[in-house]
Amino acid sequence: KQEVTQIPAALSVPEGENLVLNCSFTDSAIYNLQWFRQDPGKGLTSLLLIQSSQREQTSGRLNASLDKSSGRSTLYIAASQPGDSATYLCAVEGAGYSTLTFGKGTMLLVSP
Amino acid sequence: DGGITQSPKYLFRKEGQNVTLSCEQNLNHDAMYWYRQDPGQGLRLIYYSQIVNDFQKGDIAEGYSVSREKKESFPLTVTSAQKNPTAFYLCASSQQMNTEAFFGQGTRLTVV
Repeated sequence: KQEVTQIPAALSVPEGENLVLNCSFTDSAIYNLQWFRQDPGKGLTSLLLIQSSQREQTSGRLNASLDKSSGRSTLYIAASQPGDSATYLCAVEGAGYSTLTFGKGTMLLVSP
Repeated sequence: DGGITQSPKYLFRKEGQNVTLSCEQNLNHDAMYWYRQDPGQGLRLIYYSQIVNDFQKGDIAEGYSVSREKKESFPLTVTSAQKNPTAFYLCASSQQMNTEAFFGQGTRLTVV
């Protein structure tokens, strides 16, 4: 069974700092990996989708990388802002599972 | 605006009652999903549907039921058989399996 782990569970940084969120998964036979953002009491907002054949995806200040063979992905946030404060969720979709398996998320707080 | 609409945003249920959560999408997506989110846990899959008139159980389907009579609609019924229904429920859709998933804003169900 696929398991997804996100480290750290919580992170607090001052504004302007670059930061990295980590995601690991146990079964490397995946179709894609997706990063989401969730604000308190809200739904999930898709940030980046990386197909299994890709190594990274970029959107603005966000860059996500994928190392399928080692079962790892990182989400890099450049020049963090207070508006980046949210919970970030990683999810993988794999062969044999048909749907997304989620990690528990990293709660990020960016202080002014 | 294209998107996924969940209603109601908040729902209160008395013990022993069935309640139905609505999920509608106008993205013309084939696949739709229901997840449950509890504090400190990742999202867990309840049911999913890849096509109209077909749906599959997820990891925690007991006490829930769904229907998919129309492409744009995937309602979830929480039955009295669900022993711990208080949670945040999230609906999602994707063009097909293994493509980017989009989420609604969620319904918070509380048993009173």
